Amino acid sequence: QSALTQPASVSGSPGQSITISCTGTSSDVGGYNYVSWYQQHPGKAPKLMIYEVSNRPSGVSNRFSGSKSGNTASLTISGLQAEDEADYYCSSYTSSSTWVFGGGTKLTVL
Amino acid sequence: QVQLQESGPGLVKPSETLSLTCAVSGYSISSGYYWGWIRQPPGKGLEWIGSIYHSGSTYYNPSLKSRVTISVDTSKNQFSLKLSSVTAADTAVYYCASVSGYLDYWGQGTLVTVSS
Repeated sequence: QSALTQPASVSGSPGQSITISCTGTSSDVGGYNYVSWYQQHPGKAPKLMIYEVSNRPSGVSNRFSGSKSGNTASLTISGLQAEDEADYYCSSYTSSSTWVFGGGTKLTVL
Repeated sequence: QVQLQESGPGLVKPSETLSLTCAVSGYSISSGYYWGWIRQPPGKGLEWIGSIYHSGSTYYNPSLKSRVTISVDTSKNQFSLKLSSVTAADTAVYYCASVSGYLDYWGQGTLVTVSS
């Protein structure tokens, strides 16, 4: 299985909005609504930020939102804050009953 | 609150078998959920290794399938990972996690280094 495609890096200034894309195929992202997003700060375990394309777990800021169109999912962070600087990974269920991650995107808050 | 904790040797010799255990607290493995293993080589991204249901059904990353075995011990409320014939490329932080359509609870991760 091939990793989902994410941009290596994105950046934005405090208060701005950014969007991270995650492109797969009809066998993963396009075929299921089991797309999730994870935030990872250095030296820490990943944290679930979005599940099932657009749902936020309890405790996650409503500045984080998710969507999907065809084979591409997106994570949008509005009102960027310094604490949002981290690596972000998307993940999807696949037709092989396995899971696949994106390569990760480093978010820099300028 | 579900909590997971990985344990096992931090150093494994090349060609040997890596063995890790994930202890689950705050939830009975027998009640449901899938349970998974994920790894992250130093400075790189996340890689799905595989998952197991409490009944024992397993699903593995095709690229690792020939070397991976995941098992569950409901009596100890834990599940385990074995990765055989390891090389330096298997050096990574290994995480265990609960899987319910997404990875909602994660262990803190444990670094396993493959070196002689």
